[in-house]
Amino acid sequence: GESVGLHLPTLSVQEGDNSIINCAYSNSASDYFIWYKQESGKGPQFIIDIRSNMDKRQGQRVTVLLNKTVKHLSLQIAATQPGDSAVYFCAEDAGGTSYGKLTFGQGTILTVHP
Amino acid sequence: DTEVTQTPKHLVMGMTNKKSLKCEQHMGHRAMYWYKQKAKKPPELMFVYSYEKLSINESVPSRFSPECPNSSLLNLHLHALQPEDSALYLCASSQEGRVETQYFGPGTRLLVL
Repeated sequence: GESVGLHLPTLSVQEGDNSIINCAYSNSASDYFIWYKQESGKGPQFIIDIRSNMDKRQGQRVTVLLNKTVKHLSLQIAATQPGDSAVYFCAEDAGGTSYGKLTFGQGTILTVHP
Repeated sequence: DTEVTQTPKHLVMGMTNKKSLKCEQHMGHRAMYWYKQKAKKPPELMFVYSYEKLSINESVPSRFSPECPNSSLLNLHLHALQPEDSALYLCASSQEGRVETQYFGPGTRLLVL
């Protein structure tokens, strides 16, 4: 099956720094991508999404970039705070006959030091 | 309100027990999902219900039996589970089960002895 993977399993940053979390995907048919944050003992929390007809989308302190040419997705967090410490997952939805089927990447552990 | 609730939070059961996990949402969503998440791994899709009909079953063993009594409720009935079934079981919902955001509940932590 198709897979979504991450380049860096762990990322450690200082408070106030910008963080970049990367994700590679292999299904060129995927047309919707989501970033989730999962804190210990909780379910995944929606952060931001992007559709395949876009290259960039911004939210509050977060930006998602999509490069379809190299099948790469990234999440940028500005002015990272200790509360941003969590596991971050990218997920893709291939649409078509797989409506509703999200495939998750392996996750990146982000640790923010005060 | 983007809240999905799940009960119980924790469940311990023996291999001969029968138990059920419950999930509820009041966002008017018509698609609901069950995922299984092992420690330090990403969530894996188990079942999708769209408009109260099972639309995706990811070849899940029959000891897991989903049920969608109405568009707001989703159950997962458990019977004769194995210790390797111990995991966090996550419920999610979305508008219609198409290409859209899924909102997750906090999960039920299941331990099978």
